[in-house]
Amino acid sequence: GAGVSQSPSNKVTEKGKDVELRCDPISGHTALYWYRQSLGQGLEFLIYFQGNSAPDKSGLPSDRFSAERTGGSVSTLTIQRTQQEDSAVYLCASSLSLRLADSPYEQYFGPGTRLTVT
Amino acid sequence: GQQVMQIPQYQHVQEGEDFTTYCNSSTTLSNIQWYKQRPGGHPVFLIQLVKSGEVKKQKRLTFQFGEAKKNSSLHITATQTTDVGTYFCAGPTVGGGSNYKLTFGKGTLLTVNP
Repeated sequence: GAGVSQSPSNKVTEKGKDVELRCDPISGHTALYWYRQSLGQGLEFLIYFQGNSAPDKSGLPSDRFSAERTGGSVSTLTIQRTQQEDSAVYLCASSLSLRLADSPYEQYFGPGTRLTVT
Repeated sequence: GQQVMQIPQYQHVQEGEDFTTYCNSSTTLSNIQWYKQRPGGHPVFLIQLVKSGEVKKQKRLTFQFGEAKKNSSLHITATQTTDVGTYFCAGPTVGGGSNYKLTFGKGTLLTVNP
């Protein structure tokens, strides 16, 4: 079946411009996560959606970052007034909801969007 | 806050040698997951361990979950060039009702010399 898809795969933008990154999760996955990965680094959690709600936005680096999810499916991560330090790969992952307390399902990652801010 | 630490950060081996990466959590975990990320790729789920002392095998890969459920290891026997990549462990974030979220280790980058 179809996996998680993200678009665009690459985005080059000028400092100060706004960008929108899109994520299409696996059908039926109610949980959706955004991560940021800088070159050679680990995964930095940004935001978590359960359905259309975002109960955890604790990882968003600043108020320039926002995200929404509509129809319990597609999610968009928006970065306003981009800065050079925003350059990274932005990964989206989806999963089924919690099966039991303290037992999250495995996450399925999309291919990511490589953002370069010049 | 909760920390998941992996060692080593990097490992270079000759093809055919064995490889092990270790994962240690500052808190007891209900389960642990392992992911592999090929160079230029995205993380791909490998396995989840749930039981204390659990050992699971996938071909040349052996995964272990410690008795205290605070550590885990991934061992690859007779590495191949296809094993190249970064291996991440991840556990449910403990506390604050954040168990939907995974805390990832920083990963171990494995390179294999053919």
